[in-house]
Amino acid sequence: LAKTTQPVSMDSYEGQEVNITCSHNNIATNDYITWYQQFPSQGPRFIIQGYKTKVTNEVASLFIPADRKSSTLSLPRVSLSDTAVYYCLVGDISTGANNLFFGTGTRLTVIP
Amino acid sequence: GAGVSQSPSNKVTEKGKDVELRCDPISGHTALYWYRQSLGQGLEFLIYFQGNSAPDKSGLPSDRFSAERTGGSVSTLTIQRTQQEDSAVYLCASSSRPGPVFEQYFGPGTRLTVT
Repeated sequence: LAKTTQPVSMDSYEGQEVNITCSHNNIATNDYITWYQQFPSQGPRFIIQGYKTKVTNEVASLFIPADRKSSTLSLPRVSLSDTAVYYCLVGDISTGANNLFFGTGTRLTVIP
Repeated sequence: GAGVSQSPSNKVTEKGKDVELRCDPISGHTALYWYRQSLGQGLEFLIYFQGNSAPDKSGLPSDRFSAERTGGSVSTLTIQRTQQEDSAVYLCASSSRPGPVFEQYFGPGTRLTVT
């Protein structure tokens, strides 16, 4: 299972676009990239998943360069309610679930 | 439909006592996971179940920790002879199949405090 590296924390003002990058240098051919969001006192929840290029849903966009050694979660026009910890997770369908590695995540603080 | 539920929501116990934490996954989800999250820290994977079997128990921090799942549904995480370092939030999640590709649905967690 590929390990990931993310910034520990980020601050942003309301209304700005926020980009959080995750490094996964040893990503394997069949690995997918998944992002979760965790609010205080809650369990994480799924945000978005992708394999290559760009994926967009109603919440966020995920940009994956051709070499797939990193990925960037983009949150458009953040609000105070986007203050949370964001986790990047990498793995494939055959990995099973051995030692799922969420890491410490990126703590995003949105400032009024 | 109902999500993942966990009980109790909070548990305070004395050092040396045994505790049982319960997880009810989403109906039909074959995979169930247990994680531990210490204050201000990330998620530490403990164990997962595919059906009633746990293919890999190496994530359990010590032999005081054990888990079982019966009927492919409810799971119990047991911590024997609790220690203060066991204090954390214990999170349970389920997914339709095991593995990072499949969306995990998390419960609200059980906050364990060992005094």
